[in-house]
Amino acid sequence: QSALTQPASVSGSPGQSISISCTGTSGDVGNYDRVSWYQQHPGKAPKLIIYEVTERPSGVSNRFSGSKSGNTASLTISGLQAEDEADYYCCSYAGSSKVVFGGGTKLTVL
Amino acid sequence: QVQFVQSGAEVKKPGASVKVSCKASGYTLTTYSIHWVRQAPGQGLEWMGWVKHGNSDTKYSQRFQGRVTFTSDTPASTVYMELSSLTSEDTAVYYCAREGGVINFDYWGQGTLVTVSS
Repeated sequence: QSALTQPASVSGSPGQSISISCTGTSGDVGNYDRVSWYQQHPGKAPKLIIYEVTERPSGVSNRFSGSKSGNTASLTISGLQAEDEADYYCCSYAGSSKVVFGGGTKLTVL
Repeated sequence: QVQFVQSGAEVKKPGASVKVSCKASGYTLTTYSIHWVRQAPGQGLEWMGWVKHGNSDTKYSQRFQGRVTFTSDTPASTVYMELSSLTSEDTAVYYCAREGGVINFDYWGQGTLVTVSS
């Protein structure tokens, strides 16, 4: 099972919006609405920010949103803040009880 | 509140095995599966597999098949991950995570650093 493809890095200025893509195949992202996104600050455990493509857990800012088209899912962060600087990972169900993560994207807030 | 506490850091020699524990609290333990995810230094997250706390069903990533074993001790509210035939490439932080919904890891342990070095 190959990792999902994410850009290695993205950047944006405070207040701007950015999007992070996550490209898989028809065997994972394209076939299941079971995509989640995680935020990870240095030295910390990942934190769930989006699940089932578009859903936000209680307590997560509505500045985070998710979408999917075909084999590509996307995470959008609006109104960028300094605290959003972190690594972001997508994750998808891949059938037969298997899971696959993306390679991760480093977000820099300029 | 839901919490996972993992065992402490380990240093192992190549060829050895390591067993990491993950103790859960704050919820009905048999309701959810527990997944294991690892992260090599400076690298991304890698899924290893899952164990169902109630019946100990397991699923392993093909990458670790034959080398990893997940077990659970329901009365102790603890799950374990044992990885054998360690090499330097197994040096990583190992996390346990609860699957709150389908591929929805809502609570994570603090991570356990396993260092493999001669």
